[in-house]
Amino acid sequence: EAQVTQNPRYLITVTGKKLTVTCSQNMNHEYMSWYRQDPGLGLRQIYYSMNVEVTDKGDVPEGYKVSRKEKRNFPLILESPSPNQTSLYFCASSLSPTAIGETQYFGPGTRLLVL
Amino acid sequence: RKEVEQDPGPFNVPEGATVAFNCTYSNSASQSFFWYRQDCRKEPKLLMSVYSSGNEDGRFTAQLNRASQYISLLIRDSKLSDSATYLCVVRLRGKFYFGSGTKLNVKP
Repeated sequence: EAQVTQNPRYLITVTGKKLTVTCSQNMNHEYMSWYRQDPGLGLRQIYYSMNVEVTDKGDVPEGYKVSRKEKRNFPLILESPSPNQTSLYFCASSLSPTAIGETQYFGPGTRLLVL
Repeated sequence: RKEVEQDPGPFNVPEGATVAFNCTYSNSASQSFFWYRQDCRKEPKLLMSVYSSGNEDGRFTAQLNRASQYISLLIRDSKLSDSATYLCVVRLRGKFYFGSGTKLNVKP
């Protein structure tokens, strides 16, 4: 089944404790992206990747890191989480960064609470 | 200025009603257009792509007006199950830009 998976789905952590949220897709998609969603603010892009080893900042990259060492995986790293990073996080992928009409597929989301 | 703007609603409509949402986008070079549906705290899912010629999928009709830079979604014969948040999405130079969503509540 074609899908985007994220782990963990739920995470409670404490300020400053490094964490990684994994994202994997099995559709051989080139484009992958991370978003956070907060009440009243909609979806905001954190980082995106057009292909392996190519990553770019989105609208809210501060406090986050990503890597794209292989096509299927795009982990999101919080080196020193803070309470303002408490949010619902979505990973998404798309076949091509440039193809007209090509849409995005989302993972199920990761709920993060930073105490 | 935001790339994509939507009326947040909520739109409260009775079952069977017809409801229309609009969104506007700021960059005339935008290349692809979509409507997504998001249920409470779940992942967004593609509802339909939007083309200049307009497209229809059952009770849903989407239109794109490039000259005025707006996208519309029309839902006919609303069902209770249509209650959700509808996100307008635009793609430009590879990146996706999301509107903040329009909330629809369909009441019995």
